[in-house]
Amino acid sequence: AQRVTQPEKLLSVFKGAPVELKCNYSYSGSPELFWYVQYSRQRLQLLLRHISRESIKGFTADLNKGETSFHLKKPFAQEEDSAMYYCALSGQAGTALIFGKGTTLSVSS
Amino acid sequence: DGGITQSPKYLFRKEGQNVTLSCEQNLNHDAMYWYRQDPGQGLRLIYYSQIVNDFQKGDIAEGYSVSREKKESFPLTVTSAQKNPTAFYLCASSIRTGGLSGELFFGEGSRLTVL
Repeated sequence: AQRVTQPEKLLSVFKGAPVELKCNYSYSGSPELFWYVQYSRQRLQLLLRHISRESIKGFTADLNKGETSFHLKKPFAQEEDSAMYYCALSGQAGTALIFGKGTTLSVSS
Repeated sequence: DGGITQSPKYLFRKEGQNVTLSCEQNLNHDAMYWYRQDPGQGLRLIYYSQIVNDFQKGDIAEGYSVSREKKESFPLTVTSAQKNPTAFYLCASSIRTGGLSGELFFGEGSRLTVL
């Protein structure tokens, strides 16, 4: 069965500290993994996808197939990073995106 | 202005009543989705549609119904059979389903409260 697990409901860090939001997945094939972000009073939006191997707003995520993980990292957190983050998995054609339960990131000064 | 439009933003319903949430997109996307967002539960898939006149049940379809008569529109009806309908509902669209098409574009959501 397809499943996305985000073990932390809430992650609180100080400004300038490193951040790692954990995501593990269960999927029998080769999935596409995504991170979505929802800032306060804004729409849920795509942050990054593993296939792009890009850094968005200082965030990166590496797909580790051996550990079935796709953790989101940022070396120095900013207050504007405070938001809800969802890890999501896309399977084969014809299936819908599956989301984890989300992690709230709170960055304080 | 391209995007997903959901209406109404806020809706109150009495127990036993059906209510329909509207979702319109002008992105020319084939696929559309309805998710329910509850605190601590993440986003759970209610229904999705890959093309016009076709839709599939998601994980929590019981008590909901949808239609896809036009490419641009994917309304969701919350029926009286839905046991716990108070929630935030999100509509989304994508070019197609699956694989690299996993980039979804979301609406602003509709908050339904059952009194």
